[in-house]
Amino acid sequence: DSGVTQTPKHLITATGQRVTLRCSPRSGDLSVYWYQQSLDQGLQFLIQYYNGEERAKGNILERFSAQQFPDLHSELNLSSLELGDSALYFCASSVVGLAARRDEQFFGPGTRLTVL
Amino acid sequence: AQSVAQPEDQVNVAEGNPLTVKCTYSVSGNPYLFWYVQYPNRGLQFLLKYITGDNLVKGSYGFEAEFNKSQTSFHLKKPSALVSDSALYFCAVRDPNSNSGYALNFGKGTSLLVTP
Repeated sequence: DSGVTQTPKHLITATGQRVTLRCSPRSGDLSVYWYQQSLDQGLQFLIQYYNGEERAKGNILERFSAQQFPDLHSELNLSSLELGDSALYFCASSVVGLAARRDEQFFGPGTRLTVL
Repeated sequence: AQSVAQPEDQVNVAEGNPLTVKCTYSVSGNPYLFWYVQYPNRGLQFLLKYITGDNLVKGSYGFEAEFNKSQTSFHLKKPSALVSDSALYFCAVRDPNSNSGYALNFGKGTSLLVTP
């Protein structure tokens, strides 16, 4: 168990809908990352938050957004869903300090999103 | 741009034999390299990382990896494979000079199958 929790575990919804995925980082970790894993794109970095502020953006669609709350949990919002958004969405966390670039990330179990 | 390549989609090895999962990287400057393992329906688990220092890095579950700067490689190895090592293995790189936060750039993954 990495200490990172994600809810829900599975999500089935229809095209055009909006969903929210939730992540709680490990105790003490200030940084949260979101990744998307799909068969055709592999593991892709979406976005990073550090202590409530957006830190970096990857291949995140404009239909997707995220935020990190004062208690450090994070939510990934996916809207106007398309069939191609079906994927496994992972949240990861890490300690971000002076040697942050050396730190490994700890991954949650993921949320499997199926868009029908 | 930082990237990693895992040239093999699948590696098959008999239990008790040594295993190697290959990874090459492309980064300007000195990279930070990571290996993760993913078991079915689970999140990614950190195995080991190379930051600096000794080229041979030891990690979890008896795995080790050898950093080779001249060949820009970071192959994952284990002297004696177990059936329970069967999983999906990901190599990842973080460019220490990147402005894209601390996100990891993952390879496409290599499926390891260890047969009894």
